[in-house]
Amino acid sequence: SYELTQPPSVSVSPGQTARITCSGDALPKQYAYWYQQKPGQAPVLVIYKDSERPSGIPERFSGSSSGTTVTLTISGVQAEDEADYYCQSADSSGTYGVFGGGTKLTVL
Amino acid sequence: QVQLVQSGAEVKKPGASVKVSCKASGYTFTSYGISWVRQAPGQGLEWMGWISAYNGNTNYAQKLQGRVTMTTDTSTSTAYMELRSLRSDDTAVYYCARRTGPYSSNEYGNYMDVWGKGTTVTVSS
Repeated sequence: SYELTQPPSVSVSPGQTARITCSGDALPKQYAYWYQQKPGQAPVLVIYKDSERPSGIPERFSGSSSGTTVTLTISGVQAEDEADYYCQSADSSGTYGVFGGGTKLTVL
Repeated sequence: QVQLVQSGAEVKKPGASVKVSCKASGYTFTSYGISWVRQAPGQGLEWMGWISAYNGNTNYAQKLQGRVTMTTDTSTSTAYMELRSLRSDDTAVYYCARRTGPYSSNEYGNYMDVWGKGTTVTVSS
């Protein structure tokens, strides 16, 4: 079955830039979406269609795509950004959705 | 405001069935779909499938086909997810989420923009 690969963890100091990658063979054909999940809470959509930001999401969150890798970038990281981040996309046919394994962002 | 309110926690024995509800408000129910996602304790998110609230079309994850059924009641703007033949590894928090694009069965360009708070399902003898 199709898989998306994320690093298990990323650590940054406050004010720095965090980059979380997600790799998958079908990403050139399918959009990617990013969700933020804090402990005990439901996920929240932070990026859709590779690089679009929903209303209410701070401008420091951005997304980009290059080949088989998509990247979530958080500029000027704040303590409140500490969370798990999941990428989500679909298989090459668009039949099934799939999530990456998640990346724990730690703000030092 | 757009809201999805899920039913309460469930405890089931192995082999039993569970039916989780998800009541939508704040938007036109039939203009979207409802996706279901689960998360086992300490694990990541798992896509389970979705149902169109417009026409009832469904698409289920391959590993759940035959055990899961998703339905909607448009008169009450409520979606349901039933999982049968429960096993211990079905223990998880089950989330419903509003899914864009109710007319297309293809996942391309469609995503989950509003989520419920989750329903804990525990399977234990």
